[in-house]
Amino acid sequence: GENVEQHPSTLSVQEGDSAVIKCTYSDSASNYFPWYKQELGKRPQLIIDIRSNVGEKKDQRIAVTLNKTAKHFSLHITETQPEDSAVYFCAASNAGGTSYGKLTFGQGTILTVHP
Amino acid sequence: GAVVSQHPSWVICKSGTSVKIECRSLDFQATTMFWYRQFPKQSLMLMATSNEGSKATYEQGVEKDKFLINHASLTLSTLTVTSAHPEDSSFYICSARALVEWGQTREQYFGPGTRLTVT
Repeated sequence: GENVEQHPSTLSVQEGDSAVIKCTYSDSASNYFPWYKQELGKRPQLIIDIRSNVGEKKDQRIAVTLNKTAKHFSLHITETQPEDSAVYFCAASNAGGTSYGKLTFGQGTILTVHP
Repeated sequence: GAVVSQHPSWVICKSGTSVKIECRSLDFQATTMFWYRQFPKQSLMLMATSNEGSKATYEQGVEKDKFLINHASLTLSTLTVTSAHPEDSSFYICSARALVEWGQTREQYFGPGTRLTVT
């Protein structure tokens, strides 16, 4: 099955700095890679996703890059703000096939943005 | 749009009793729903994949007789934790894939989660 590794486990930055979180996956059939932000006791919220036919996607201060050959993808947050502080999860899935698009999550990164 | 609700949001039960958690897609139809368990400071672990009208597919290591899943309609899936024990205390989250004209969307919409505490 799919295995997703996420690094770092914790990340501390100053407000205004950039933050980068990296994930690797094992299953070459995976074709959908979402990133979620989760605050304590709340549901995961999708912040950005990318499909395997695209190498990069950007939405304001958030961007995701995908390298299919190396099987890794990264989340980039620029101009970080204290409200960006949360746990971030990457995930991978094969949106088609018999797995019905089940998501395999990375271990999570605790991002702390200091004012 | 694409709202998923869960009920209850939290529950405390005694060891040995059973607890049912409901997951509803409020404004869309979901042929596939997923159930996850999340322990404190850990990631989401998929427990099972639930397809409307058919038996759930459980992940390795998840006891299907302990975690009963029913997906009787396109908007409702239930998870019943039978004979609950303290080690079953966790945050249970469901998600659903929307059924649209061309099939299913890639995105999963998550419920708010249910905090289960077994005493």
